[in-house]
Amino acid sequence: GDSVTQMEGPVTLSEEAFLTINCTYTATGYPSLFWYVQYPGEGLQLLLKATKADDKGSNKGFEATYRKETTSFHLEKGSVQVSDSAVYFCALSGLGGSNYKLTFGKGTLLTVNP
Amino acid sequence: EAQVTQNPRYLITVTGKKLTVTCSQNMNHEYMSWYRQDPGLGLRQIYYSMNVEVTDKGDVPEGYKVSRKEKRNFPLILESPSPNQTSLYFCASSFGGETQYFGPGTRLLVL
Repeated sequence: GDSVTQMEGPVTLSEEAFLTINCTYTATGYPSLFWYVQYPGEGLQLLLKATKADDKGSNKGFEATYRKETTSFHLEKGSVQVSDSAVYFCALSGLGGSNYKLTFGKGTLLTVNP
Repeated sequence: EAQVTQNPRYLITVTGKKLTVTCSQNMNHEYMSWYRQDPGLGLRQIYYSMNVEVTDKGDVPEGYKVSRKEKRNFPLILESPSPNQTSLYFCASSFGGETQYFGPGTRLLVL
């Protein structure tokens, strides 16, 4: 079945550091790929998405490129801020018939220190 | 404002006492779904619904029931809660296979 593997956390960075959170997936066909962010005490918010190979999703300075050849969707940001501290989830939406289920990775906790 | 709401946000209950967590969306979405989030396991789908009166099991449906009598509402029912259902629950909705919007979550503790 479908699965998502993302790097284990927690990740601790200083403000203005470069961020990479690795994400790889296993799925049949060509799933859509997502990054969701969960700020402390809140629900999940869509950060960015890509629906086909070589698409680049971007939002709030974050970027991720859909790499079919390496089945990856790594999240990057050039300069993190304290306000980026949150849990980040990589997810895919497969082609499972009528169920638009999201398959999530286990999440990566990011802490950014001033 | 487009949103998914859940109630209650926090709930402490005892084993065997039936409870319902409500979910409502104001975006006229046909698709709705419930997930539970557990440490080290990420989010797992419990049930989903493609439209009114159309529901089906997700990956972890045991111990849960749902209903979809109206398009906007998708309540999650725990008829006899057990401690292993202590978790953080999220409702989500979407228009077809498009972006899913999540509610704020319901934190449940079953003693």
